[in-house]
Amino acid sequence: QVQLQESGPGLVKPSQTLSLTCIVSGGSITSGSYYWSWIRQPAGKGLEWIGRVYASGSTNYNPSLKSRVTISVDTSKNQFSLKLSSVTAADTAVYYCARIFVGPRDCWGQGTLVTVSS
Amino acid sequence: QSVLTQPPSASGTPGQRVTISCSGGSSSIGSNTVNWYQQLPGTAPKLLIYSNNERPSGVPDRFSGSKSGTSASLAISGLQSEDEADYYCAAWDVSLNGYVVFGGGTKLTVL
Repeated sequence: QVQLQESGPGLVKPSQTLSLTCIVSGGSITSGSYYWSWIRQPAGKGLEWIGRVYASGSTNYNPSLKSRVTISVDTSKNQFSLKLSSVTAADTAVYYCARIFVGPRDCWGQGTLVTVSS
Repeated sequence: QSVLTQPPSASGTPGQRVTISCSGGSSSIGSNTVNWYQQLPGTAPKLLIYSNNERPSGVPDRFSGSKSGTSASLAISGLQSEDEADYYCAAWDVSLNGYVVFGGGTKLTVL
């Protein structure tokens, strides 16, 4: 059973870069031809897909965030990462890493709250 | 603004049947399959329906999904108090190099 766990700072200053890592356990990040996604949810609001990465490093991003987002994969550490630059208060949210649109083999991390504040 | 449109709220009494709609376009629901997620307060979303109408193991058959053209629906029959949650639809959108779109979510209240 694959499990995902987000890690990273819970507080980021405005204009800085938000950096999060998702550790994949219980299976290899390179197996199964899966894409690995980042999704966020501001308090009291809906889900927003940020982007995804394949084990090869191939990526897709949400057009609304594309200019600020970089998602990368480190297969040697079985993890993938998110960098979001020039953050503002509007980027305050719970950030989830997930493997979605893989039939029934969907899985999500528990989520981590990132607050943008000085 | 969400690319998939859901009603912000829905409600029903125990035992009743409730449906939640999800409207998209030709580049999203019209071209790809739909997933539905249930989110309880303070928890990560849980997959309810995949590929329009398939249930993962462990999801009660009270939950069902359907898709027609550029719209999809989630139906919950025999409504129970524990069904009170937020529900989201999601689909891949093939425009602009491809990306995942979510509905804005529907808050289901069991009266």
